[in-house]
Amino acid sequence: QVQLRESGPGLVKPSETLSLTCTVSGGSISSYYWSWIRQPPGEGLEWIGYIYYSGNTNYNPSLKSRVTISIDTSKNQFSLKLSSVTAADTAMYYCARSVGYGGNVVDPWGQGTLVTVPS
Amino acid sequence: QSALTQPPSASGSPGQSVTISCTGTSNDVGGYDYVSWYQQHPGKAPKVMIYEVSKRPSGVPDRFSGSKSGNTASLTVSGLQAEDEADYYCSSYAGSNNVFGTGTKVTVL
Repeated sequence: QVQLRESGPGLVKPSETLSLTCTVSGGSISSYYWSWIRQPPGEGLEWIGYIYYSGNTNYNPSLKSRVTISIDTSKNQFSLKLSSVTAADTAMYYCARSVGYGGNVVDPWGQGTLVTVPS
Repeated sequence: QSALTQPPSASGSPGQSVTISCTGTSNDVGGYDYVSWYQQHPGKAPKVMIYEVSKRPSGVPDRFSGSKSGNTASLTVSGLQAEDEADYYCSSYAGSNNVFGTGTKVTVL
């Protein structure tokens, strides 16, 4: 079945750009929606955005000015860039496949990767 | 977009039932039948338990059920078991975006 794995730096300096990649295995990325979701330590989930396999994107309005999600179907990967990070962006970042209308069902999820932005 | 509102905690003894609410607005929960529920154990990624208000993915026990009335969705766990102790999050389509709930910690007494 489809599996996802996040990769990227675990520590990002304030004001710099957070960059993560999600590698999809066990299935093609050339269908469905592909999402990024984050969870600050001890807090709840926050949807960051998704990219459709065709390249169309949709972002959380509160993050839209700083977020870019892209897809590379040749590598079966999709990526997240979050610019001008602050300590408030410290979180576990999950990549996931989203299915259903508007990608409203998230399944499966990657294991997550912790990104820390020091204050 | 604001997070959907869930109670911070809920609890029940083994074998009992617990119901968690998820309150939104007519722009999300009330406007679409696209509510999902996720279970998250400590240190693990979330797992979908219910989608489209009341549908169960393959492999999810029928002890888990979902419903919706107006702007509020609910998840009921019947016949509580020790392994049901976890955090639960609702999520709703919100017209081009998706929004999560604030989360509920379920404790099995």
